[in-house]
Amino acid sequence: KAGVTQTPRYLIKTRGQQVTLSCSPISGHRSVSWYQQTPGQGLQFLFEYFSETQRNKGNFPGRFSGRQFSNSRSEMNVSTLELGDSALYLCASSLDRNTGELFFGEGSRLTVL
Amino acid sequence: GNSVTQMEGPVTLSEEAFLTINCTYTATGYPSLFWYVQYPGEGLQLLLKATKADDKGSNKGFEATYRKETTSFHLEKGSVQVSDSAVYFCALRGTGNQFYFGTGTSLTVIP
Repeated sequence: KAGVTQTPRYLIKTRGQQVTLSCSPISGHRSVSWYQQTPGQGLQFLFEYFSETQRNKGNFPGRFSGRQFSNSRSEMNVSTLELGDSALYLCASSLDRNTGELFFGEGSRLTVL
Repeated sequence: GNSVTQMEGPVTLSEEAFLTINCTYTATGYPSLFWYVQYPGEGLQLLLKATKADDKGSNKGFEATYRKETTSFHLEKGSVQVSDSAVYFCALRGTGNQFYFGTGTSLTVIP
């Protein structure tokens, strides 16, 4: 069974640009969550999607957005990039909202110059 | 609110030494608790979990017991190996699938 796939794995952007990251969950998993990982702040919850609806949102500005498609694939978008957005963005999927186990992808490492 | 506090690292141990990584939590109610491990260049993997008080999670020689009275979930292993070198994260599950993670503890095991 294929794991959680995130693309791209690495990308470099400049301040003010926008970026879109993609996540394909494990087949059959319907919940997708996104986390930002930085050395200073650790792992911070961005948002969770289930059945194409955002169910939960963390404490991030509106520049961070996401969506989920009917096949459960998810994308997150960051607009007007800032230097502080440089981070590893991790996607995690789970079967539903009750099983309580997340399966993580390897992440997309974003560098903002 | 929900939060997790775990032992600051880095931790360096010799092979076959005993490992303890402390984790305490603050939560409303009785959340499920988890330990995740991140190997270099990889995403996080579930190591073990416990869903209610006094449950003991175990996997690959690692153990952790859900202690409601001390709001703790300390990770232990009796004899670490070089292959255990990784970053370990304690976490609790809040509403839905929102997880709260500790800051991570880096473990290096030297031969």
